[in-house]
Amino acid sequence: QVQLQESGPGLVKPSQTLSLTCTVSGGSISSGSYYWSWIRQPAGKGLEWIGRIYTSGSTNYNPSLKSRVTISVDTSKNQFSLKLSSVTAADTVVYYCGAYDSSGYYVDYWGQGTLVTVSS
Amino acid sequence: EIVLTQSPATLSLSPGERATLSCRASQSVSSYLAWYQQKPGQAPRLLIYDASNRATGIPARFSGSGSGTDFTLTISSLEPEDFAVYYCQQRSNWPPLMYTFGQGTKLEIK
Repeated sequence: QVQLQESGPGLVKPSQTLSLTCTVSGGSISSGSYYWSWIRQPAGKGLEWIGRIYTSGSTNYNPSLKSRVTISVDTSKNQFSLKLSSVTAADTVVYYCGAYDSSGYYVDYWGQGTLVTVSS
Repeated sequence: EIVLTQSPATLSLSPGERATLSCRASQSVSSYLAWYQQKPGQAPRLLIYDASNRATGIPARFSGSGSGTDFTLTISSLEPEDFAVYYCQQRSNWPPLMYTFGQGTKLEIK
């Protein structure tokens, strides 16, 4: 069974770049079986899809975040990463990494989530 | 962008009762709709995919129905562990590709 674990700084200063990594275990990130994705959730609120990457390196991003987001994959480490630039307090949310199934429609597996706070 | 509207926002029921949650899409999503359950401090968990298929390990008391723009998640007889927040989610393929979630329905103990 695939397991996902987010890691990265829990505190980022305004205007800086947020960087998170998701480590995949229980399967190869290169298998082509999943679309690797980032999803976020403000405290007490709903879920927002940030973007996804496929093994080939092909990416799709939420248009509302596209100008600030980069998702990449490191197959040698079985990891994929999120970079979000020019962060503000509005980016203080829980970030989840997830694996969309091979059809690309549904999240089969989720990381536990990590809270990132944007504050000086 | 396809908007998903869930109702009600909060549903207060007792264990053993039947729960009916609704998700309405602003345009047709065919049957490409999923339901997730989220408990406090946890990541969401996939319950239903393709509108009516239970995910692996999901109890039979959970069922989904609908197609096009109107979808329903039904929990036939509530167990104490079912009280949580439920989200629907769809993927639209029209450029740009985009996933959207409903705002959630909180199922609370009455």
